[in-house]
Amino acid sequence: GAVVSQHPSRVICKSGTSVKIECRSLDFQATTMFWYRQFPKQSLMLMATSNEGSKATYEQGVEKDKFLINHASLTLSTLTVTSAHPEDSSFYICSARERALQETQYFGPGTRLLVL
Amino acid sequence: GQNIDQPTEMTATEGAIVQINCTYQTSGFNGLFWYQQHAGEAPTFLSYNVLDGLEEKGRFSSFLSRSKGYSYLLLKELQMKDSASYLCAPSNSGYSTLTFGKGTMLLVSP
Repeated sequence: GAVVSQHPSRVICKSGTSVKIECRSLDFQATTMFWYRQFPKQSLMLMATSNEGSKATYEQGVEKDKFLINHASLTLSTLTVTSAHPEDSSFYICSARERALQETQYFGPGTRLLVL
Repeated sequence: GQNIDQPTEMTATEGAIVQINCTYQTSGFNGLFWYQQHAGEAPTFLSYNVLDGLEEKGRFSSFLSRSKGYSYLLLKELQMKDSASYLCAPSNSGYSTLTFGKGTMLLVSP
């Protein structure tokens, strides 16, 4: 159980375009989803916490107008990187938590974004 | 704030036992997670400790001392596939977010 999928797994886009990444919990309802970013040989950095039906909470230094997060249902959260630039190229990973009292986060397989 | 300290790299041979230590300083501590991450892949859950003591799960065991801000992951009967980065992540109260350190890269050799 506790399977999380992400789509796409890999995306290449031109600078200035927007990219949407989907995160789905396949066999459970995710009340909370998290979005992380990881640069090569660096640790995972939490970008934002998303609770179903409410606005996402962004970590310090993460631009909420650039990284749009929508958590419209209990099984789907999306991250849209708007006006992408080469420095946004990274490995984006989502995770999902089943219930508020359950601590464990299950991670999706990640999306590798390359902005040319 | 958060401060997580674990060794950058460790090496071991197949069949051996290795202990990966982690010390942390965090506010609002709930518990501590260990994740395994292979290169280019997302982390996979290994263990979660809330109470002090050792929890064993197959070849992997995890220990926590809340008062010392210390945890370790013990890997027994090492296999080549255990070569990966091991991430120590304290969980915070409130939104229960995780903070990841840079991880310990474990290389298992024949």
